[in-house]
Amino acid sequence: DAKTTQPPSMDCAEGRAANLPCNHSTISGNEYVYWYRQIHSQGPQYIIHGLKNNETNEMASLIITEDRKSSTLILPHATLRDTAVYYCIVSPTPYSGAGSYQLTFGKGTKLSVIP
Amino acid sequence: EAEVAQSPRYKITEKSQAVAFWCDPISGHATLYWYRQILGQGPELLVQFQDESVVDDSQLPKDRFSAERLKGVDSTLKIQPAELGDSAMYLCASSFTWDQPQHFGDGTRLSIL
Repeated sequence: DAKTTQPPSMDCAEGRAANLPCNHSTISGNEYVYWYRQIHSQGPQYIIHGLKNNETNEMASLIITEDRKSSTLILPHATLRDTAVYYCIVSPTPYSGAGSYQLTFGKGTKLSVIP
Repeated sequence: EAEVAQSPRYKITEKSQAVAFWCDPISGHATLYWYRQILGQGPELLVQFQDESVVDDSQLPKDRFSAERLKGVDSTLKIQPAELGDSAMYLCASSFTWDQPQHFGDGTRLSIL
C-alpha cells in the first residue's frame, strides 16, 4: 500500500502557481519525500525530493511541514505542459540500511492546467 | 539529456504467445528497474538489478515472467505465455546508484488479444 494520500485531481489556471498537497503521516525519519510526474503516454519524470528542509530546483519547490507529516509541491508558474499526474512517494534514505530503493506509486493527483 | 531507451514502443500479441521487451539504461547507471503500469494506476516494481545481479524480484510472477541483465548494461523482460491480464505499460528505469533518483523510459504498451 502507498504510504501517501493525495487528492485525485486539481485544476490550475495557466500562469498561476500550482500547489499540490500530499499527506504522509506515517513517514519515518529515514524516508525521503519524492515527487515524480507522468505526462500522458510518457514515463514518469523525477521532479524533486527532500528530507526535512524545503527544497527548490529549476522545476519546482518542495515545502515539508516541520513534523514531516505532509508536504506541498509548488509549480510557481504553471503552463499547459505541466498537465500531468503528479506522484508523491516516500522512500528510504541511504542511511536506513535498506538495500532496495523501491518506489511505491499511488494513484497520484491529476493536475489540469486550464488556459 | 541522455535517456532510457525502450523497444518496442507498442506490442500486440495473442494470449499464450511469448513476448519480450528491451531496455537500454543511461550510460553508467548501475541500477535498473522494470515496472508494470496498469491503466489508471501508478507503476508497480517488478524487478530491480544492481549491475547484473537481481536485488529484488519479489513482485515478479516467476511462473511466466523472466528478466535478465547479462552484462550489467541493457536488459530484457520476457513473458511466456502471455495472458489477457498482462495488458499494461511496461516501464524501465535506471539510476546511477540505488539511492539516486530514477530516470524512466517511455515504456512499451502491451496489448494481449
